[in-house]
Amino acid sequence: EVQLVESGGGLVKPGGSLRLSCAASGFTFSRYTMNWLRQVPGKGLEWVSSISSSSSYIYYADSVKGRFTVSRDNAKNSLFLQMNTLRVEDTALYYCARDDILTAFSDYWGQGTLVTVSS
Amino acid sequence: DIQMTQSPSSVSASVGDRVTITCRASQGIYSWLAWYQQKPGKAPKLLIYAASSLQSGVPSRFSGSGSGTDFTLTISSLQPEDFATYYCQQTKSFPRTFGLGTKLEIK
Repeated sequence: EVQLVESGGGLVKPGGSLRLSCAASGFTFSRYTMNWLRQVPGKGLEWVSSISSSSSYIYYADSVKGRFTVSRDNAKNSLFLQMNTLRVEDTALYYCARDDILTAFSDYWGQGTLVTVSS
Repeated sequence: DIQMTQSPSSVSASVGDRVTITCRASQGIYSWLAWYQQKPGKAPKLLIYAASSLQSGVPSRFSGSGSGTDFTLTISSLQPEDFATYYCQQTKSFPRTFGLGTKLEIK
């Protein structure tokens, strides 16, 4: 069974940093492109970042470029999001999601980890 | 960036009704479109990918159509468990963008 479990969320002050993790199981993690997406509670979905299977291709939303860094450890079946210089507007539930190999659509999502940026 | 315009933003319907949600891309995206269903407190669930392909395990009352810039999600006969919020997303290019969502409510 495919499972994605996010962790690392919490309360942080503006300007602070946080590192999110996503533990993957139930599939060959090293073969899949992975994504981070976020959702302000009660609002819509926003794509944040994508990283290809071997980390060769990385993309960011303009809203986080230069502040967030995505990475992965294929040996540990883990995806990460290092978030620096956090802003109040980064407050959201952060999801990791897997892209299906054949279709390239995000077919499995974790349950999310909540990041709150507040003074 | 490709803008995704989804309509309506909300719709009220009854069990058994047929409902159609539309999504328009600001430029052509071929069939690089997905539809997601999200229920309160849950992660989004993939319903339709590549504009018209039904994700495994999704009931056949859900269908998608369209290509280029105009797409639709149709629920042929609403069931109680279908009341949720639906999002379209384009994956033709980065940044991947979503529509603002359609909240499907019980009439």
